[in-house]
Amino acid sequence: GAVVSQHPSWVICKSGTSVKIECRSLDFQATTMFWYRQFPKQSLMLMATSNEGSKATYEQGVEKDKFLINHASLTLSTLTVTSAHPEDSSFYICSARPARLTSGEQFFGPGTRLTVL
Amino acid sequence: QKEVEQNSGPLSVPEGAIASLNCTYSDRGSQSFFWYRQYSGKSPELIMSIYSNGDKEDGRFTAQLNKASQYVSLLIRDSQPSDSATYLCAVNRRQTGANNLFFGTGTRLTVIP
Repeated sequence: GAVVSQHPSWVICKSGTSVKIECRSLDFQATTMFWYRQFPKQSLMLMATSNEGSKATYEQGVEKDKFLINHASLTLSTLTVTSAHPEDSSFYICSARPARLTSGEQFFGPGTRLTVL
Repeated sequence: QKEVEQNSGPLSVPEGAIASLNCTYSDRGSQSFFWYRQYSGKSPELIMSIYSNGDKEDGRFTAQLNKASQYVSLLIRDSQPSDSATYLCAVNRRQTGANNLFFGTGTRLTVIP
């Protein structure tokens, strides 16, 4: 159990376009999902916390108007990178925390590699 | 002071040896502790969790927790080249909230055949 999927696994887009990434918990309900970004050879950086049915909480320095997060159901959260630029090229990883667990562990999706030309 | 600190490595051990990965945390009220493994170009995978003082064994992996010293470690016995990865320590703080899991920066382990 505790499987998280992401789609797409990789995407290449032109500068100025928007890209939507989906994160799904396949076999559990997740009231909370998290979005991370990871640049090559660097550690995970939390971007935002997504709560089902409410607005996302963004970490300091992350532009909420650029990285739109929607958590419309207990199994789906989406991250939209608007007006993408080459500096947004990164590995975007979501994680989900099962609603049934109180110990706090998160299960990660396989990640989405974004390349902006 | 960082919430969770790890030695970034790299840590190199020969095949068959024991790899020891260490982590310290700052919040004394932390309750849950996790080790994630991340292969290059992949996302993190949960491999161990520990909640109480002492040792917890799962196959070749042993997690050790010492809350008094605010220290958690991961031992990998009979290390294999396939264990080469970055290992992330994560700690769940006492407070509830949107994100109460804090990650270390990871220790890169290389197992030499």
